[in-house]
Amino acid sequence: DGGITQSPKYLFRKEGQNVTLSCEQNLNHDAMYWYRQDPGQGLRLIYYSQIVNDFQKGDIAEGYSVSREKKESFPLTVTSAQKNPTAFYLCAIGDRDGSGANVLTFGAGSRLTVL
Amino acid sequence: GQNIDQPTEMTATEGAIVQINCTYQTSGFNGLFWYQQHAGEAPTFLSYNVLDGLEEKGRFSSFLSRSKGYSYLLLKELQMKDSASYLCAGMDSNYQLIWGAGTKLIIKP
Repeated sequence: DGGITQSPKYLFRKEGQNVTLSCEQNLNHDAMYWYRQDPGQGLRLIYYSQIVNDFQKGDIAEGYSVSREKKESFPLTVTSAQKNPTAFYLCAIGDRDGSGANVLTFGAGSRLTVL
Repeated sequence: GQNIDQPTEMTATEGAIVQINCTYQTSGFNGLFWYQQHAGEAPTFLSYNVLDGLEEKGRFSSFLSRSKGYSYLLLKELQMKDSASYLCAGMDSNYQLIWGAGTKLIIKP
């Protein structure tokens, strides 16, 4: 997983519960991202962070929250306000390759199921 | 609006060649990415094109035509392990990625 660790891999939640997904990286990258993946849809950006103690909303931030207290950690909380949280959640770091492209390296993902 | 279109599913034969097309509409353009994603796993980077033309990386090649808003991923000498979804993503003027829904490629012996 390229130095990015997501946990847990599978998570079940009852309606009305908040859950937190962990994302840790040891590659010393500044940029970190959270995406959501649903069947038949492209990846959708939830939140991203370019630097410690700062983060920005993505396209579907409602019902989610994040923190970036340390460079290596970018946890995502799925709150009870998120009406359809069942999905595959992907954390990623961004880095420029030799051609200058901002290439994303993803963690293994966390699959959240609401019961 | 911004949009990425790619076929939902394609089938090809082991040892053959397959071309996966992607058309894009983005607000500004800062490149086109292809990622591979095996079922239940994370996407992995395959290629990046920002200038017109063909980029070759071993069995995989990616082509871009900016005037047509079109890209394709060409996979040669197909192997069973190439069975996966292939995600096309365009980068807009704000350097945000717009993702297609992915093309599921099924390889048959």
